Order: sequence, then structure tokens, then C-alpha cells
Amino acid sequence: NAGVTQTPKFQVLKTGQSMTLQCAQDMNHEYMSWYRQDPGMGLRLIHYSVGAGITDQGEVPNGYNVSRSTTEDFPLRLLSAAPSQTSVYFCASSYSVWRRVELFFGEGSRLTVL
Amino acid sequence: TQLLEQSPQFLSIQEGENLTVYCNSSSVFSSLQWYRQEPGEGPVLLVTVVTGGEVKKLKRLTFQFGDARKDSSLHITAAQPGDTGLYLCAGRGNTGKLIFGQGTTLQVKP
Repeated sequence: NAGVTQTPKFQVLKTGQSMTLQCAQDMNHEYMSWYRQDPGMGLRLIHYSVGAGITDQGEVPNGYNVSRSTTEDFPLRLLSAAPSQTSVYFCASSYSVWRRVELFFGEGSRLTVL
Repeated sequence: TQLLEQSPQFLSIQEGENLTVYCNSSSVFSSLQWYRQEPGEGPVLLVTVVTGGEVKKLKRLTFQFGDARKDSSLHITAAQPGDTGLYLCAGRGNTGKLIFGQGTTLQVKP
């Protein structure tokens, strides 16, 4: 079972470059989300989606865009990378946002912005 | 803004010792989850507690949700090296979104 798949696992960017972090899930989950993890700060929600065509902002959305054209995919776009976006990014999905269900995480994408 | 604060942030103990990790907030949460994360991997759910005062046990791990649903604790009995990892609490707030604490890094030495 693949679960939540993130690509790439590692990426180095220069300031100002753009890129897309890919996330795909094969569990037919309606809820998908992106978090960033920084030392001592836990996981902070960037953007989330409660279904295809529906997205919303989390705690730290600035500098990131998302779209949800299919149930399976939820890419995260960095428009103009900045050193402050150096972090580990996690995509997570669950059956529903409103039920107390398990959040399934991908293995993470480690991004360094020089 | 609903916040969750975990303590301690770092814990290094010897195999066989007991420990408790705390997760506190001034806000009420409808449910609270504990996740464990190992290096290079994403967090994995350990438990969900939903009722004030609820206690759940998972082998040597005991989880408790505060009576007022504002805090939770994780107690590990006779810790083993395999318990090493980052422990995260997460609360489901009034918007439905999951809010995470900053995590507790546990190292259990053989």
C-alpha cells in the first residue's frame, strides 16, 4: 500500500527560484494538507483542502500556493523561494476533517533554499 | 489562536526509567491525538482521546486527557531504546483543523 507519496525527498533551490512539491494519496481521502516542520516549532499548517476544487489557508500560507484538481493529488507550489522557506515539508491526508480520524503523513520533502 | 505547549522539549533517560510528557493549552479541544515520529519519516498516530478524563493504554504507554479537555499527558513505563523518537500532541480545535505542539524529543539510552 503506497499511502501518501511525496516527491522529491530532497531539493536545493536558489533564492527566487520556483518549484512544486508533489503529493499523492491512494486512500480516497477527502482531506489533504501541507505542513512545514522546523526545529522547536512542531508542525505548522500551510494549506489544506477538504475536497477536489476546495482549498483554504492554514497558519503560515504566505509564499505558497496550492490547488486540488483531483481527489488524489495536492501539489504545493513555492512561487519565489526564500531562505526562510528552508524546512521539511509534510503532506498529510485523512478520511475527513471533521471526524476524529487518523492523519496519514508522507515521508517528507527536505527543502534547502540558498 | 489555539496553542499547544509541550514539555519537556528534550528528554534523555536510561533504559528502564519512567517518564511523562505534558501537552498543555488554555483552550478546549474536542479531541487530542499523540503521534510519534522517527528520523526521516512522517509522524504516525499512537492514540486519540476524546472524552475529558479519558485514559488509554497502549502497552507501556498511558495517555490521559484532562477533565477540562485543555491538557493531556503521555506516560511511558520502563522506557526502551525503541521508544526513542519525537512525540507530538495534536488537538482538533474549533475550526476542525489539527493544531500541533512543538514536540518532545525522547532519547532512551541502552
